[in-house]
Amino acid sequence: QVQLQQWGAGLLKASETLSLTCAVYGGSFSDFYWGWVRQPPGKGLEWIGEINESGIMNYNPSLKSRLTLSVDTSKNQFSLNLRSVTAADTGVYYCARVPQWLNYFDYWGQGALVTVSS
Amino acid sequence: EIVLTQSPGTLSLSPGERATLSCRASQSVMSTYLAWYQQKPGQAPRLLIYSASSRATGIPDRFSGSGSGTDFTLTISRLEPEDFAVYYCQQYGRSPWTFGLGTKVDIK
Repeated sequence: QVQLQQWGAGLLKASETLSLTCAVYGGSFSDFYWGWVRQPPGKGLEWIGEINESGIMNYNPSLKSRLTLSVDTSKNQFSLNLRSVTAADTGVYYCARVPQWLNYFDYWGQGALVTVSS
Repeated sequence: EIVLTQSPGTLSLSPGERATLSCRASQSVMSTYLAWYQQKPGQAPRLLIYSASSRATGIPDRFSGSGSGTDFTLTISRLEPEDFAVYYCQQYGRSPWTFGLGTKVDIK
């Protein structure tokens, strides 16, 4: 059974860097992309980006300039860094599995609430 | 980017009734690359349907998806108590992948 478990700092100040990591348990790590989706409080979902084990990435252009995705294949983990955060970056961040060539999200982490204070 | 408009915003129904949710795209969605998710309060979204009409693993057959081009539908044939939630559509035919704003199905 595939499980994604994520963690990271929950409270940030404006201009700091948001850092989250997601560990994958079960299933193949190499056959999928690994992605991030966020959800502002009380709002809908926004795709952030995704990466595969070779480091090939797709980014949402709206976040690309501040975003770094990375992967650690030795630990079956992947990470998100978002620089220069503002209050608009507040929300729940989810990690998720992405089937190759079909960019939907079939398994999700539990979510991590990130709050940015000014 | 492709904008997805979901309607209605809220659907008030009783258990046992049929629910029909709409997702309309601002441009044609390539190869029916459209998914549906269910989200309950405090939980992560759950994949229901991908490629417009394929049920994800473990999803009951009361959930069905249809459509192509710009118009897609999620149908729940008979609502069970656990089906009252928010439903989102997502297109993955053209980057950036985008989501609709959701339809809330609540108990009448």
